[in-house]
Amino acid sequence: NAGVTQTPKFRVLKTGQSMTLLCAQDMNHEYMYWYRQDPGMGLRLIHYSVGEGTTAKGEVPDGYNVSRLKKQNFLLGLESAAPSQTSVYFCASSYFARGTYGYTFGSGTRLTVV
Amino acid sequence: TQLLEQSPQFLSIQEGENLTVYCNSSSVFSSLQWYRQEPGEGPVLLVTVVTGGEVKKLKRLTFQFGDARKDSSLHITAAQPGDTGLYLCAGPPPDAGNMLTFGGGTRLMVKP
Repeated sequence: NAGVTQTPKFRVLKTGQSMTLLCAQDMNHEYMYWYRQDPGMGLRLIHYSVGEGTTAKGEVPDGYNVSRLKKQNFLLGLESAAPSQTSVYFCASSYFARGTYGYTFGSGTRLTVV
Repeated sequence: TQLLEQSPQFLSIQEGENLTVYCNSSSVFSSLQWYRQEPGEGPVLLVTVVTGGEVKKLKRLTFQFGDARKDSSLHITAAQPGDTGLYLCAGPPPDAGNMLTFGGGTRLMVKP
């Protein structure tokens, strides 16, 4: 089972450049999430989606946009990259948002903005 | 300030030792989850605790949810190098949406 697949795994951007991170899941999960992980700060939620065609802001949404055109895909966009966006980005999915259902994470995208 | 505070942040021990890591909050959580993350990979769910006072065991790992549902602990008996990783607790924030919030993590290194 593929689970959650993220592409690319690594990327270096120059300040001001744009890019899209791709996330695909094959578990028919309704909910999908984008997190960023920085040292000592755990995982912080950027945006999430509760179903195809829906998106919502998380804890740290500024500088990012998302789209969920298909149930299995969740895209994270950076329109004008900044050094503060250097981080490891994780996509996750789940059947339900809270309660006892755990998240399935991808293996991450390490982004460096110079 | 994070809603879930984990301690210690770093822990380096020898193989065979026991250890406990903690996850604390001033808020009540309906449930808490523990994840382990290995270098270069995403977090993987270990366990979910939902009842105050609940204890769950997963081989050498013992998870406990506090009676007041404000804290949780993870105890590892006879740690092995394969236990090395980042341990994260997470839970749904009370009265603040439905998404999981994560603690800052405890980075564990078990030396052979």
